[in-house]
Amino acid sequence: GENVEQHPSTLSVQEGDSAVIKCTYSDSASNYFPWYKQELGKRPQLIIDIRSNVGEKKDQRIAVTLNKTAKHFSLHITETQPEDSAVYFCAASIPTSGTYKYIFGTGTRLKVLA
Amino acid sequence: DTGVSQNPRHKITKRGQNVTFRCDPISEHNRLYWYRQTLGQGPEFLTYFQNEAQLEKSRLLSDRFSAERPKGSFSTLEIQRTEQGDSAMYLCASTNYFGEQFFGPGTRLTVL
Repeated sequence: GENVEQHPSTLSVQEGDSAVIKCTYSDSASNYFPWYKQELGKRPQLIIDIRSNVGEKKDQRIAVTLNKTAKHFSLHITETQPEDSAVYFCAASIPTSGTYKYIFGTGTRLKVLA
Repeated sequence: DTGVSQNPRHKITKRGQNVTFRCDPISEHNRLYWYRQTLGQGPEFLTYFQNEAQLEKSRLLSDRFSAERPKGSFSTLEIQRTEQGDSAMYLCASTNYFGEQFFGPGTRLTVL
């Protein structure tokens, strides 16, 4: 089936602490896993992605890890700041018709408390 | 602005009316996707195009929904005989060669 599960649905952390959001996908053919940040009333913005040929990718305070065997991938935000507060979505590519579509998780609302 | 654009940004209509939305992708992107997003949910896949060819349409999409991308550039999404359950944000996205997807600002539809 085509399914991406995302947990937790809400997450509150103190400013400066780390936040971790986890996703699980169902299609073993998925090979591209982007993460999006969506602020209230705005469009989803691509913040980081990972492909199936690597296990980890880091960009400043944000990192993503991938476990293909377990079909898990996670977003890690370190030294959280109030401006990190938003809804975060994971997604997985699904091969179809010679190219790809993307299935999204249900989102995690992150609140960073000052 | 070289990003994805969508028009209109907001649409209020009465039940039973037809509505059409437009999406202009980033010019060099050949894949274009339509999604629906309701409050508290992630974008739900509706359909997508590679150039002018519509490659897949979600099984969840009723026959009242149709999309076109006639010249492989902009795309339109039409909803016929709108129902209150169609109220949502309709997002368009285009994808580069590497699969990176960029979203437009969306069209918020309210069906009264």
